[in-house]
Amino acid sequence: NAGVMQNPRHLVRRRGQEARLRCSPMKGHSHVYWYRQLPEEGLKFMVYLQKENIIDESGMPKERFSAEFPKEGPSILRIQQVVRGDSAAYFCASSPSVGNSAAFFGQGTRLTVV
Amino acid sequence: EDKVVQSPLSLVVHEGDTVTLNCSYEVTNFRSLLWYKQEKKAPTFLFMLTSSGIEKKSGRLSSILDKKELSSILNITATQTGDSAIYLCAVENSGGSNYKLTFGKGTLLTVNP
Repeated sequence: NAGVMQNPRHLVRRRGQEARLRCSPMKGHSHVYWYRQLPEEGLKFMVYLQKENIIDESGMPKERFSAEFPKEGPSILRIQQVVRGDSAAYFCASSPSVGNSAAFFGQGTRLTVV
Repeated sequence: EDKVVQSPLSLVVHEGDTVTLNCSYEVTNFRSLLWYKQEKKAPTFLFMLTSSGIEKKSGRLSSILDKKELSSILNITATQTGDSAIYLCAVENSGGSNYKLTFGKGTLLTVNP
């Protein structure tokens, strides 16, 4: 039973490029949470998705960031026109049901914008 | 806005020492408090606490929640170098249909041989 799988583990992008981060939840999990961890900071909630629905995106920056969790395939966090301040570790967590966000975290994607 | 404050921010001890990490919180619609261990990769779940005064224990680690004081402590006895990590505290908000976690900045624990 594989855990939460994130890829890539490391991603380097030049300023202005797009970054796509993927998260495959644990088998049987239909709830996905994305968190961002900036250097010297704790994890910050970004978005909570269920299959084909965005439930809470209150932690997402208003521009350039979007997330989806399609019926088939992984959840995608997309950052357009990346800037240096987007450099961070992005973690995905999944849970089997609502109200159980104790959750299992993926290994994270470390995004570096140069 | 929900808030979690951890102290100390960093701590250096020798193997065999006992440490206590603190977490205080302000949250609307509290559901649970969670502790995680992070070693340069995914946060690993340690404990979930929902009831005040009941200690959760796993080997040398234990944790207890005080809902009156809005706080929790994580104790590690007989520390080992493998305990070196960032320990994260988070609270779960059950407002509406969203169960997102609010994390503290973590306590960086370094255990020297």
